[in-house]
Amino acid sequence: NAGVTQTPKFQVLKTGQSMTLQCAQDMNHEYMSWYRQDPGMGLRLIHYSVGAGITDQGEVPNGYNVSRSTTEDFPLRLLSAAPSQTSVYFCASSYLRGNYGYTFGSGTRLTVV
Amino acid sequence: QQQVKQSPQSLIVQKGGISIINCAYENTAFDYFPWYQQFPGKGPALLIAIRPDVSEKKEGRFTISFNKSAKQFSLHIMDSQPGDSATYFCAAKGGSNYKLTFGKGTLLTVNP
Repeated sequence: NAGVTQTPKFQVLKTGQSMTLQCAQDMNHEYMSWYRQDPGMGLRLIHYSVGAGITDQGEVPNGYNVSRSTTEDFPLRLLSAAPSQTSVYFCASSYLRGNYGYTFGSGTRLTVV
Repeated sequence: QQQVKQSPQSLIVQKGGISIINCAYENTAFDYFPWYQQFPGKGPALLIAIRPDVSEKKEGRFTISFNKSAKQFSLHIMDSQPGDSATYFCAAKGGSNYKLTFGKGTLLTVNP
């Protein structure tokens, strides 16, 4: 199994550009989420989904959109990139019920100039 | 509101020593407490987890100690090795909440 696959691994954007970070999982996990990781800030939840067609905001949703049309995929869209969105982004998935931890992807390092 | 407080922020240990990272939580509904290990350039990976019906869980050199009355849990790394150098996150979830709440992380450096 591939687990959680994130693409691209690295990206440089200019301020105002838009882009989509891809996340796919092959474990049939109901729960998927996006985090950003910044020095000293830990992991901050951006958006999450509990199933196809269901999404909700985390603690830092501004400037990001998500959709979940299939169980496997959960893309994160940056609408108009800003330097403050320079960060490392992680996608994570899990079963919705029971004592299961998250499986994380390997991350996307995004720089906005 | 941070519901899981992790300390210290950074920790330097000599090879062969014991590394101890502490976490405290507020929500008494939490019933699953995992620890994640993250190497530079990689995503966090589940290291070990515990439920509150046991006070300790050991896997190799890694041990979680859990104190339900104090609402605290800790990670102990015995015989720490330079390869253990990483960032460690504690987390918790439970009750009707399926989302993990993470601590802010501890950067562990094990000197040779």
